[in-house]
Amino acid sequence: AQKITQTQPGMFVQEKEAVTLDCTYDTSDQSYGLFWYKQPSSGEMIFLIYQGSYDEQNATEGRYSLNFQKARKSANLVISASQLGDSAMYFCAMRGLNTGGFKTIFGAGTRLFVKA
Amino acid sequence: SAVISQKPSRDICQRGTSLTIQCQVDSQVTMMFWYRQQPGQSLTLIATANQGSEATYESGFVIDKFPISRPNLTFSTLTVSNMSPEDSSIYLCSVKLTGPSEQYFGPGTRLTVT
Repeated sequence: AQKITQTQPGMFVQEKEAVTLDCTYDTSDQSYGLFWYKQPSSGEMIFLIYQGSYDEQNATEGRYSLNFQKARKSANLVISASQLGDSAMYFCAMRGLNTGGFKTIFGAGTRLFVKA
Repeated sequence: SAVISQKPSRDICQRGTSLTIQCQVDSQVTMMFWYRQQPGQSLTLIATANQGSEATYESGFVIDKFPISRPNLTFSTLTVSNMSPEDSSIYLCSVKLTGPSEQYFGPGTRLTVT
């Protein structure tokens, strides 16, 4: 069975500082993808970043980077130079790329508060 | 990418009634999903909407409560039947395109059951 664990219900960060949101996962699939989504108060799900299990380099997208440690089964999101608009809910997610009907499962989420 | 629209964007319904949510995609997609997000919770997959056949439901979700239609590759509906206050949630339509990272979500339907 697949499982995503986010152990930080809430995080505070000072504006312009970096913050790391933790995510660990469990899967028996050999090929899988890891995602991070942002959900502001409006409710929409905004795709941030993707890491494939066979990707050798950590994914980066602008101020977002994914610290992928396959042996430890962790996929932490790093947000650099936090902005007030980064205040939102963040979800880590995973999908088996060859099995499981391509279903994506989500962690419980971390609410990020950026302080001015 | 894909642009997804949902109707209605929000609704307030009385218990015992049913609501049908529509999901429209701007391109043909093979894989379409319905998720539920209860207040303060994460997303839970309700079912995979299959074109031309019955939807595939996840554990804890049944067709009688959440009937799904998928008449073509750009459209699907989810009905929430015989609603109770516990059905108050955001319901999200999602599609997966061919690339491994390409999964997109609709804006969601905020349902409140009184």
